[in-house]
Amino acid sequence: DGGITQSPKYLFRKEGQNVTLSCEQNLNHDAMYWYRQDPGQGLRLIYYSQIVNDFQKGDIAEGYSVSREKKESFPLTVTSAQKNPTAFYLCASSMRTNPDTQYFGPGTRLTVL
Amino acid sequence: KQEVTQIPAALSVPEGENLVLNCSFTDSAIYNLQWFRQDPGKGLTSLLLIQSSQREQTSGRLNASLDKSSGRSTLYIAASQPGDSATYLCAVWGNDMRFGAGTRLTVKP
Repeated sequence: DGGITQSPKYLFRKEGQNVTLSCEQNLNHDAMYWYRQDPGQGLRLIYYSQIVNDFQKGDIAEGYSVSREKKESFPLTVTSAQKNPTAFYLCASSMRTNPDTQYFGPGTRLTVL
Repeated sequence: KQEVTQIPAALSVPEGENLVLNCSFTDSAIYNLQWFRQDPGKGLTSLLLIQSSQREQTSGRLNASLDKSSGRSTLYIAASQPGDSATYLCAVWGNDMRFGAGTRLTVKP
């Protein structure tokens, strides 16, 4: 079964804690992306990676960090420096970067208590 | 900076009606435009991808058009069904990928 998975589906954290969201794909895609979705807004790009051990900041990278040690995995850490972290986080992948069809995971809803 | 706008934000129609969703963008220098469907609390599912050299793409009851010169795309849904109820987002690839905020469609039985 090919696809892109995110875990967990729901995540709760206390203020001041770092939390890591998982994203895994078995599509053999080179490029991976993290987006944030807030009500009434379009998706906003946090980070993207075109290849293993390389990643670039998107529009709203402040307070987030990523790693790309394996082609299949692109975890996102939401740090305590992110002022308003409660949101729906979506991971995507594509065969290559711009331009190419992106395939999305099911998302993780993060709530900061 | 590319801006993508989708109007209306929400739309409610009776089952069986044909409908059009609109997407506009400010910078016509794009590689392609993609329409997605999103069900509540879920990820995005790609519906149609139109390359910048194309004018339209069709898949089943869906037809998407692209007019780069005017910065517009439309998604036409024929014979709408309650199962079509979802949020529809458009995204354009220029220097990067930019998304509209989406149109929330409700098809009433």
